[in-house]
Amino acid sequence: GAGVSQSPSNKVTEKGKDVELRCDPISGHTALYWYRQSLGQGLEFLIYFQGNSAPDKSGLPSDRFSAERTGGSVSTLTIQRTQQEDSAVYLCASRVFRNSPLHFGNGTRLTVT
Amino acid sequence: GNSVTQMEGPVTLSEEAFLTINCTYTATGYPSLFWYVQYPGEGLQLLLKATKADDKGSNKGFEATYRKETTSFHLEKGSVQVSDSAVYFCALSDPIPYSGGGADGLTFGKGTHLIIQP
Repeated sequence: GAGVSQSPSNKVTEKGKDVELRCDPISGHTALYWYRQSLGQGLEFLIYFQGNSAPDKSGLPSDRFSAERTGGSVSTLTIQRTQQEDSAVYLCASRVFRNSPLHFGNGTRLTVT
Repeated sequence: GNSVTQMEGPVTLSEEAFLTINCTYTATGYPSLFWYVQYPGEGLQLLLKATKADDKGSNKGFEATYRKETTSFHLEKGSVQVSDSAVYFCALSDPIPYSGGGADGLTFGKGTHLIIQP
């Protein structure tokens, strides 16, 4: 399809394990964002990529979180040594230029047991 | 810095009732304003937008008018349906990014959970 694709849709992992979440943005969208949404809460900004510029990592909650974007397209969010408080829905979004609307994926629901 | 404030939920209404969800904002520049809707188990979808003062965004019977004098973008619908039950987010996109806030000038409200009862 033409939308933002995220995988997996659900991930259950044990505390202390590493996880990788994938986002495939809409073709041609140069800006890509990761957000975290805890149960019943709003959106927490994590990281932002714009083209080939250095990413804005100001929202990452700890050094266990990292993200990369290869070839200006697919992005991977990695959480190392997962903790129970990392349980949330991780949303990816992309847009074509500043002030245009964001297009969101359906998210990855991460559960850390 | 930039901020978006929207009414706390949950908001519970009966089917066919009139809906208003309040949203006010502060911004350093001249932002574009958006309403997004999130249905259970899904990501956010753009509902409507307005890019300048006095613009009215509309979609699926929902409307919101960009009021610069009151810095507001209230969401309204004349007759809600059970299928409108969702979480609604007000957001702004500032062409002059808020320094220090990250997110490329994007600011979201905390969301309003709307429940429509038959």
